[in-house]
Amino acid sequence: DQQVKQNSPSLSVQEGRISILNCDYTNSMFDYFLWYKKYPAEGPTFLISISSIKDKNEDGRFTVFLNKSAKHLSLHIVPSQPGDSAVYFCAASDTGNQFYFGTGTSLTVIP
Amino acid sequence: NAGVTQTPKFRILKIGQSMTLQCTQDMNHNYMYWYRQDPGMGLKLIYYSVGAGITDKGEVPNGYNVSRSTTEDFPLRLELAAPSQTSVYFCASSYSVWDLQETQYFGPGTRLLVL
Repeated sequence: DQQVKQNSPSLSVQEGRISILNCDYTNSMFDYFLWYKKYPAEGPTFLISISSIKDKNEDGRFTVFLNKSAKHLSLHIVPSQPGDSAVYFCAASDTGNQFYFGTGTSLTVIP
Repeated sequence: NAGVTQTPKFRILKIGQSMTLQCTQDMNHNYMYWYRQDPGMGLKLIYYSVGAGITDKGEVPNGYNVSRSTTEDFPLRLELAAPSQTSVYFCASSYSVWDLQETQYFGPGTRLLVL
C-alpha cells in the first residue's frame, strides 16, 4: 500500500519557467516531509523539508508547500535550470523512525 | 568526510547464493537505514537501526538480515538470494529523525542482479 504518491512520473519544463512537482499522502499521522533529488547512478540527496506546523518553507529557488487538509505537498522550483533535471522523490515520516517514499517524478528542464 | 560508503557497487548473484552488502558512515550518526529501489518505484525501507546493537524491521524485511555492532557499520545480509531481490540497494544515515535540520544522507547504492 503506497502511503506516499507521486502521480506524475515525468515533467518537462522550459529553462527559466516554474517547475511544480506534486505529492499526495494518505496517512494523517505524517508530520514531517522531505524532498530528495536523485541523479542517475547516485544516491538521493536532500533538497528541502517541511514540518506539519508550517505550510511553506523556502530555500533559494526551492519552495515546498504543505496542505494538511488535502494531504498534499508540492515543490516549486523557480527559475528552473538544466541542472535541475533529475528524479525528485517526496518522503514522509510519522515521528517514528521510518520514512516513506513516493515513486518519484523525473524532471527534464529544456534549455 | 567520506559520508556514507557502500560496497560493492554492482554484483551478480546466482539464485540461492548469499552475500553481504557493506555500509559505513563516518558522520557519527545514530540512525542507519537500508532501502531498496525497484525500477519505477520509490524506496522501500528494509531495516533500520537507531544505534549500535539495536535494529528493527521496515516495510520489506523478508529475505534479509542486519546487524549493528558499531556506530559506523550497518551490513545487510542476503541469505538464499531470489530473483525478486534484484534491485538497487541504498544505505542511509542520519543523526536523528527529530531534528528538523537533519535528514538522511545516502550512499551511492549497490546494484544487485540475481539470476
